[in-house]
Amino acid sequence: KNEVEQSPQNLTAQEGEFITINCSYSVGISALHWLQQHPGGGIVSLFMLSSGKKKHGRLIATINIQEKHSSLHITASHPRDSAVYICAAPRSQGNLIFGKGTKLSVKP
Amino acid sequence: GAVVSQHPSRVICKSGTSVKIECRSLDFQATTMFWYRQFPKQSLMLMATSNEGSKATYEQGVEKDKFLINHASLTLSTLTVTSAHPEDSSFYICSARIQGLYGYTFGSGTRLTVV
Repeated sequence: KNEVEQSPQNLTAQEGEFITINCSYSVGISALHWLQQHPGGGIVSLFMLSSGKKKHGRLIATINIQEKHSSLHITASHPRDSAVYICAAPRSQGNLIFGKGTKLSVKP
Repeated sequence: GAVVSQHPSRVICKSGTSVKIECRSLDFQATTMFWYRQFPKQSLMLMATSNEGSKATYEQGVEKDKFLINHASLTLSTLTVTSAHPEDSSFYICSARIQGLYGYTFGSGTRLTVV
């Protein structure tokens, strides 16, 4: 079992739909990271959160430390949101361990 | 702020040759750089941790003589794939920890194809 599990693996949505991506982790962590990987491979950090909820534009991330679960929500999805979304947890050595990613495709 | 510049973004090389990938921290000092590799449809996996002024630490199964890492300054870490083989074809990306909102910054990645 991977230490960081994501679901779904693939997600297709129509423009405007509300999207949820889930992440469960089995390691003790100080914070959970949500990342966006573009088709060319580049990675952008979206959120680092250790409790509660954070919002940035149409993106919302929540975390439940007791349940070791986090969700990433996208409101009013748009084709430009199409990307791979990855959750990641830091190890004590400092590096991140990554989920396999959720490939999101938003159709116009 | 906290940008890591990674070059080249794409490289095609012949089997048996060596390829150097550079990651430069542009506006901060990176004492530690993490090097990851990603095969198609797989998650990113840590290859090695590069520490300025000391030897890199490699993950189990990663050949240190094949993947040479140099971190000679606080702003430059390099990964050299020596005697490249087609099975080394992959996406390589570096990352550094940073202070502030996001915790980590990433290079733009290098897609290596060995023919």
